[in-house]
Amino acid sequence: DQQVKQNSPSLSVQEGRISILNCDYTNSMFDYFLWYKKYPAEGPTFLISISSIKDKNEDGRFTVFLNKSAKHLSLHIVPSQPGDSAVYFCAGYNFNKFYFGSGTKLNVKP
Amino acid sequence: ETGVTQTPRHLVMGMTNKKSLKCEQHLGHNAMYWYKQSAKKPLELMFVYNFKEQTENNSVPSRFSPECPNSSHLFLHLHTLQPEDSALYLCASSQDVADGSALHFGNGTRLTVT
Repeated sequence: DQQVKQNSPSLSVQEGRISILNCDYTNSMFDYFLWYKKYPAEGPTFLISISSIKDKNEDGRFTVFLNKSAKHLSLHIVPSQPGDSAVYFCAGYNFNKFYFGSGTKLNVKP
Repeated sequence: ETGVTQTPRHLVMGMTNKKSLKCEQHLGHNAMYWYKQSAKKPLELMFVYNFKEQTENNSVPSRFSPECPNSSHLFLHLHTLQPEDSALYLCASSQDVADGSALHFGNGTRLTVT
């Protein structure tokens, strides 16, 4: 039972434009949601998180939005840069466990 | 430098071999994890240790055997693996298993079972 889903395996965006990565979840008990970024041959690195009691969290070019009624969260990257090209994983945290999506590969074209 | 170091980076082993994956964290964290990443699948939790005690075994086959001698070191002992066990094995740590603090991952061991 996959509790966190990323339905878009890939996304291509022009440099300078906005990248929007989406994530859906089924477990309404998640306490936190996190986004991780992964380059090839490296482990995932933490990017940004949001508490389930918030609807928005911003850190520089990265903003995460949470829509609890729709059980949906999204990561906005503005402006997108070629160095943002990576696989992005969303995760939900509940009862001492992290549940990850399958990732979205972002390609930012120069 | 990720603060979580995994060795080896790559491993090729036959189905009858015995090998071990090693993970060391330099972050002073109390919780350590093993995850498996197969192509185009979610990261799959295998084991969790909190203060050296195993708190989670996510129905992992017994051919995978974890060991946590202290809060800084984590091993995954492998024996009689199957080709479908080929994957990227990621070690992670966090301050505590119960506070939702972000996981810090190592760069992983790419395992190929022949």
